[in-house]
Amino acid sequence: GEDVEQSLFLSVREGDSSVINCTYTDSSSTYLYWYKQEPGAGLQLLTYIFSNMDMKQDQRLTVLLNKKDKHLSLRIADTQTGDSAIYFCAESMPGGGADGLTFGKGTHLIIQP
Amino acid sequence: DTEVTQTPKHLVMGMTNKKSLKCEQHMGHRAMYWYKQKAKKPPELMFVYSYEKLSINESVPSRFSPECPNSSLLNLHLHALQPEDSALYLCASSPTGATEAFFGQGTRLTVV
Repeated sequence: GEDVEQSLFLSVREGDSSVINCTYTDSSSTYLYWYKQEPGAGLQLLTYIFSNMDMKQDQRLTVLLNKKDKHLSLRIADTQTGDSAIYFCAESMPGGGADGLTFGKGTHLIIQP
Repeated sequence: DTEVTQTPKHLVMGMTNKKSLKCEQHMGHRAMYWYKQKAKKPPELMFVYSYEKLSINESVPSRFSPECPNSSLLNLHLHALQPEDSALYLCASSPTGATEAFFGQGTRLTVV
């Protein structure tokens, strides 16, 4: 299968920006996604980006896509304690998103007061 | 309404039991999915249904049996499970042609 790589932990101070990085291997991915998972909960879709876009902004969230380097990042501005969670990068499998998603291992975002 | 509802939230079953997990969505999505998530691991795809037909089975053991009785419902029938099958089982749905996939809160399954 295709690999999606993420750092396992990121620690930031409250009020700072968090940048979570992801690399993927399948250049035919149609969509790339960021999901948030809080302890004991399901996955919450935060945002997604189509592979022909470079950037997408939605309130405090900014997604940057470098298709040449197969690098995706999620920036969270003004990080709050409620942002503490595991963040998964995911790519749609070859054939489109209806074939399911391949997830990275997840980045645990830790907020320091 | 972007909700995918899963029941039960928690399930404890013995290795000889038969149980079912249920998933429901009313967003008109025609693709539905089952994922398995072990502790501290990412979700792994198990099954995909597209227009109520099974389109992907990721080599899942036959003790897991999916069913899609209509466009809003997805079941996962469980029989003769092993303790290593204990995990969070997540259901998701998406429009076909697929952009967003929405996940339920999951069923926490413990096999004893």
